[in-house]
Amino acid sequence: GAGVSQSPSNKVTEKGKDVELRCDPISGHTALYWYRQSLGQGLEFLIYFQGNSAPDKSGLPSDRFSAERTGGSVSTLTIQRTQQEDSAVYLCASSASGLNQPQHFGDGTRLSIL
Amino acid sequence: GQQLNQSPQSMFIQEGEDVSMNCTSSSIFNTWLWYKQDPGEGPVLLIALYKAGELTSNGRLTAQFGITRKDSFLNISASIPSDVGIYFCAGRLDSRLTFGEGTQLTVNP
Repeated sequence: GAGVSQSPSNKVTEKGKDVELRCDPISGHTALYWYRQSLGQGLEFLIYFQGNSAPDKSGLPSDRFSAERTGGSVSTLTIQRTQQEDSAVYLCASSASGLNQPQHFGDGTRLSIL
Repeated sequence: GQQLNQSPQSMFIQEGEDVSMNCTSSSIFNTWLWYKQDPGEGPVLLIALYKAGELTSNGRLTAQFGITRKDSFLNISASIPSDVGIYFCAGRLDSRLTFGEGTQLTVNP
């Protein structure tokens, strides 16, 4: 597709389970970002990839959160031992190389922890 | 860390009215961006500003990058019902974007 694709669009899981969220960036975009949006809030930065490496992962809230990117394309965000406070919309964005390149967002994964 | 204060939090206007919203920061940014988010969707970029003092228009939207690099405003002229949504400012210093809390805009026909 032409835009950033995220899956699943919705995920409901029990507290303590692990979840994996997927992001397919726009083809050719070397930079990929993960953000988290809690209800009624702005977006909170989690991690940035340039190619397959993550020069900035300072936004990950705890060691239960991890992310990887393979082949310079698809990225997965993994949350282990989920807690209720992890409930949020997780948004992925991608951009072409260069700091002034705009970030284009997917529609997010809405994660609900019961 | 950097914080953005966006105001107002919400606005209720009549169709045809102009609207203005702004963001201020405790620290400088190199880029200011304005996004619109509809329910269930990701933010969509409206305007990007790259230079202090820059004034940029996109149709009925006008945005400015403050001269101090710590603020930006967005104006929407002659509002229409489809302008309804949440508008976010975002500042960029390095790779990450720092977002404001959003302005919820309601346009009454």
